Amino acid sequence: GQNIDQPTEMTATEGAIVQINCTYQTSGFNGLFWYQQHAGEAPTFLSYNVLDGLEEKGRFSSFLSRSKGYSYLLLKELQMKDSASYLCAADNYGQNFVFGPGTRLSVLP
Amino acid sequence: NAGVTQTPKFRVLKTGQSMTLLCAQDMNHEYMYWYRQDPGMGLRLIHYSVGEGTTAKGEVPDGYNVSRLKKQNFLLGLESAAPSQTSVYFCASSYYPGNTEAFFGQGTRLTVV
Repeated sequence: GQNIDQPTEMTATEGAIVQINCTYQTSGFNGLFWYQQHAGEAPTFLSYNVLDGLEEKGRFSSFLSRSKGYSYLLLKELQMKDSASYLCAADNYGQNFVFGPGTRLSVLP
Repeated sequence: NAGVTQTPKFRVLKTGQSMTLLCAQDMNHEYMYWYRQDPGMGLRLIHYSVGEGTTAKGEVPDGYNVSRLKKQNFLLGLESAAPSQTSVYFCASSYYPGNTEAFFGQGTRLTVV
């Protein structure tokens, strides 16, 4: 079976750093995706990790530990526009994507 | 480049009515997916297709049917709508999902009364 877990909500201050965790238990796992979804909009791709370690892309970084079934998304220098839901997803035997429940991040001034 | 286009964007149905949601992609992707998104539950897979002429059930397929007669189109049908099918529906497409991301349509907000 597939099980992906994330915190439901997080709050942080503009300019700060926030880490959003994701734990997963899936079979046939190839890699872990992170998507951003603003309210009322479609999800958009942020990052993909297939190997253990940290991938950095501007203000956003994503980490994966395959042995621990754990990933996190790190957002630096938070901006108001980063207020959104962040979804982690795992591919399922290369057939489709399994999504976690999403973490709603609120950035306060 | 349009990407993934869903029609309609909004719809209100009465219980028992039927409708079809259309998803079209112009990226020559083999894989296409239909998800529903409900508050607090994330995206749940309804049906998916790994190529033209193929379909497969996802996590929540009951009450829905799909067809993939052409590679660029993936249709989602509700034969007899129920209030429990009130949701936001997203279509997505990708190359091989094991190493590439999915591209999403803008969503269809469906209300069944």
